[in-house]
Order: sequence, then C-alpha cells, then structure tokens
Amino acid sequence: EPEVTQTPSHQVTQMGQEVILRCVPISNHLYFYWYRQILGQKVEFLVSFYNNEISEKSEIFDDQFSVERPDGSNFTLKIRSTKLEDSAMYFCASSEDQGTNEKLFFGSGTQLSVL
Amino acid sequence: AQSVTQLGSHVSVSEGALVLLRCNYSSSVPPYLFWYVQYPNQGLQLLLKYTSAATLVKGINGFEAEFKKSETSFHLTKPSAHMSDAAEYFCAVRVTSGNTPLVFGKGTRLSVIA
Repeated sequence: EPEVTQTPSHQVTQMGQEVILRCVPISNHLYFYWYRQILGQKVEFLVSFYNNEISEKSEIFDDQFSVERPDGSNFTLKIRSTKLEDSAMYFCASSEDQGTNEKLFFGSGTQLSVL
Repeated sequence: AQSVTQLGSHVSVSEGALVLLRCNYSSSVPPYLFWYVQYPNQGLQLLLKYTSAATLVKGINGFEAEFKKSETSFHLTKPSAHMSDAAEYFCAVRVTSGNTPLVFGKGTRLSVIA
C-alpha cells in the first residue's frame, strides 16, 4: 500500500533555531495536513493545504509556522524560531478526497525536541 | 465546535477477551466519526469510519463500532483480542459540512496480556 513518508524521524534543535520537517505525501493525493501531538495530549490539527494554498489553520499555527509544497512532491512544515513548547510529534497526512470518501493517510511522524 | 472524549487512557485485556474502547463525541451538526490505530513507530492508520450510512461500521482486523446518536457515542469493539492488537487507538470527529479538519481524542493505549 502506498504510504506517506516523513523525514527526519527525530529532530533535536536549540530554542530559537529554525527547523524544517519534511513529508512526501502519496502521489495522487490532493489534500495535505500537519498535525502534532505533545506527549500525553491530544493529536492537534495545525494546518490543511489544498491547491497550493492553506485551506484551514488552527490557533496553534501562528506566524512562526509556514507550509510549502516546493516541488510538487514534498510538503514541508517550517518553524521559524522554535520554542520549548514546540516539542512534539509532528504528523503529516494526505488524502485523495474529502467528505464521504475521505481517508487520511498518516506518516510515522517526526519527533521534534527543542532544548 | 466538535470534540471527542475517550474514556480511559489505558485499557488492558487478556488475549481472547472482548475489547471495548469508549468514545463520546460532541458536535452541533451531523458528524463523521473515525477510529485510527497507531502501532509503535508507525503513523496513524484508519480502522473504520462512520459517514451517515449504516450505524454499525465494520473495519479492518475484526474491529467494529456503532454510532449511537442518543448516547453521542462511537465505541470501538472487537470480540476477541489478539496480541497484535496492542497499540494506541484514536477516536476522531469531523463535521460533514465545510472544509473542517479532523479533531482527535487523547487516545487509548490497548495492552493485550497473554
């Protein structure tokens, strides 16, 4: 079965540094998402992306966050200046459709640790 | 706004016993409801989903869930647990109108004891 791949699996960074989390969605999918899970808490929605623009974003997704689909295959999440509270598991997901036929495929995540 | 509550962060069952993972939702409009499973070092995988067709939904690996509007519940069950069912299970909700994202619960870790 096709899968969403995320790199790196673990990322350690210093507070204030920029990080880029990378995702390769399934090739024929049109909708892309980033979610995160802080240890012991809910999986939280960050942003959805369709037709080369953000379609929805949460309150978490402030000016420090940005997403990009630079080359038609990768889907990246950039955090401009990381904070301690950004430490979490970040999941990328993609789907071919929305609504009744929606099925999100998730990557295995990138564990981000901000020191 | 929609939300889900999963009762019990950790459930432990014996191999062969019934699995019951509880999920209650809150939504002002008809919801779509989902169960996802996460095995160690893997991404979330869709187990099953309710999209306003049959209220009893069958998924992969012998799991099923029943949508009960009167109880605002969507509990996940499996008649007989297998060791390979040990994983984290997430309930999620999405409203049927508009382009709204999935909202997840906190997850329930299922342990299966031999």
